[in-house]
Amino acid sequence: QLQLQESGPGLVKPSETLSLTCTVSGGSISSSSYYWGWIRQPPGKGLEWIGSIYYSGSTYYNPSLKSRVTISVDTSKNQFSLKLSSVTAADTAVYYCARQLLGFDPWGQGTLVTVSS
Amino acid sequence: QSVLTQPPSVSGAPGQRVTISCTGSSSNIGAGYDVHWYQQLPGTAPKLLIYGNSNRPSGVPDRFSGSKSGTSASLAISGLQAEDEADYYCQSYDSSLSGSVFGGGTKLTVL
Repeated sequence: QLQLQESGPGLVKPSETLSLTCTVSGGSISSSSYYWGWIRQPPGKGLEWIGSIYYSGSTYYNPSLKSRVTISVDTSKNQFSLKLSSVTAADTAVYYCARQLLGFDPWGQGTLVTVSS
Repeated sequence: QSVLTQPPSVSGAPGQRVTISCTGSSSNIGAGYDVHWYQQLPGTAPKLLIYGNSNRPSGVPDRFSGSKSGTSASLAISGLQAEDEADYYCQSYDSSLSGSVFGGGTKLTVL
């Protein structure tokens, strides 16, 4: 059974870079056809797609975040990562990783990242 | 403001049928892109409920059904149960944005 697990700091200072990693277990991140995505949810608000990556490294990002986002993949570790630069309080959210094909499925449990000094 | 529009809330009594709408435009649902639906129970990660407009993943009860027409899609839940109380989100692809988009979410209350 495929499982995803997010990891990274729970607290980031304003203007710094948020860095998270998603570790995939129970399957290979190099499986063809699948993209791997990041989605976030501010407290009490809805879901926002951040971006997605193919195992080959091909990426596509939410235009509203594109200038600050970098998603990368490490097939040797079966992981993919998110970097979001110049964060502000508006980037405080639960960050989820998920496999993407026909919809996002499955999802990781999510990790809360708070931007505060 | 979300690209896909959902009602903020819907409610129904146990056993009743409710529907949740998801309205898009010619650059997403109306362009033929698939709509997917997610259920998010309180304090948990979203779970895929319907994929490809009307398909249920294994394990999802047939009380849940999806449809799509024109620039809109709908999620129907029949035989409402207390455990269905959750937030529901639609999701599709938008060609103008060249990426995935979510609806704002609908909170279902079981009376």
